Amino acid sequence: DQQVKQNSPSLSVQEGRISILNCDYTNSMFDYFLWYKKYPAEGPTFLISISSIKDKNEDGRFTVFLNKSAKHLSLHIVPSQPGDSAVYFCAAGPTGNQFYFGTGTSLTVIP
Amino acid sequence: EAQVTQNPRYLITVTGKKLTVTCSQNMNHEYMSWYRQDPGLGLRQIYYSMNVEVTDKGDVPEGYKVSRKEKRNFPLILESPSPNQTSLYFCASTLVPGAEQYFGPGTRLTVT
Repeated sequence: DQQVKQNSPSLSVQEGRISILNCDYTNSMFDYFLWYKKYPAEGPTFLISISSIKDKNEDGRFTVFLNKSAKHLSLHIVPSQPGDSAVYFCAAGPTGNQFYFGTGTSLTVIP
Repeated sequence: EAQVTQNPRYLITVTGKKLTVTCSQNMNHEYMSWYRQDPGLGLRQIYYSMNVEVTDKGDVPEGYKVSRKEKRNFPLILESPSPNQTSLYFCASTLVPGAEQYFGPGTRLTVT
């Protein structure tokens, strides 16, 4: 049973606009939340994380929002750039060692 | 350069023939993990290790073994591979629990 879900397999956005990627989880014990980006033929690379005691974390063009009551997190990319085109995975876990990943959302930023 | 390396990158083998996928990191990380990626299922954690000689099962450990005899190495062992273990495998390491993981480039395994 998938404990972390990304219900949108793909997303297309115009360059310069906002990209919003969503992620839902089922386990209220999850305290660690991260987003990874993956290009074809490469391993995932870390993008941004958020602590369970916060509801927002920003890093440049990337912002992650966490709503623990709804068990939902989202990644906002503003402005979106063609180089952002990749597959994005959210990951969550109860400890810092165990992680459950979503199935990924393929983002295409159209120039 | 800080990195996680995996070998081999590609492997085609037959059912039942034991194999080992190596993983090595040069960042002195204590925490390492193995994942498999399958279409429609995302990445699933197979095993993780908190330190030398300390390992634990992840979400899908059946059919796999690991060992951690040295801090830098974390090999994944398939004693008797089966076709349902055909997948893309990633090794990862991290300095502290919950922090970003550094992933290797992946090993594509096909079991016929």
